[in-house]
Amino acid sequence: QVQLVESGGGVVQPGRSLRLSCAASKFTFSRYGMHWVRQAPGKGLEWVAFISYDGIKKYYADSVKGRFTISRDNLKNTLYLQMNSLRAEDTALYYCAKDPFQGVVMTTFLDYWGQGNLVTVSS
Amino acid sequence: SYVLTQPPSVSVAPGKTARITCGGNNIGSKSVHWYQQKPGQAPVLVVYYDTDRPSGIPERFSGSNSGNTATLTISRVEAGDEADYYCQVWDSISDHVVFGGGTKLTVL
Repeated sequence: QVQLVESGGGVVQPGRSLRLSCAASKFTFSRYGMHWVRQAPGKGLEWVAFISYDGIKKYYADSVKGRFTISRDNLKNTLYLQMNSLRAEDTALYYCAKDPFQGVVMTTFLDYWGQGNLVTVSS
Repeated sequence: SYVLTQPPSVSVAPGKTARITCGGNNIGSKSVHWYQQKPGQAPVLVVYYDTDRPSGIPERFSGSNSGNTATLTISRVEAGDEADYYCQVWDSISDHVVFGGGTKLTVL
């Protein structure tokens, strides 16, 4: 069964940086696109970013473009989200999620999700 | 960018049929996917490509998509179906994944 485990969250002051990681196992990570999705407390799902299997295609939500960077290390089976210039409105549970089809640079839906990691931006 | 509109809440009695709508401009031309999220848990895919079910999802869950509305239908609703449900599309114009605002299903 696919396993996705997020880490790196915590409490950070506004304007500071944080890097999230997502360790993937039980599937061939290097063949699949990956996403970050967040959920503010008591709110709905908000897509954050997508990266293709080969790391070439990257897409971002308007709310994070220019501040967040998605990346991956296919040798370490790990997905990353570098978050800079953090704001209070970035406070959320951050999920990593997997694309369903291997070897394609487009995305469709998200077939497996991690359990999430909480990021709190507060002074 | 593309907007998906869901009703905030739907209520249904056990054993009845629940229908959760997802509105969008000409959404029938897009593929719609649905997720179930129970309290304190990660979302789970329940319907993809409008009508398909992942393995392990009961046949009671079905989907349709036409015109400006996609619908998730849950037949013979059970107490365990109580959850938030989200629709989702890929918007190729903006290169964005788009989620609806979510619908809280309450089983009376």
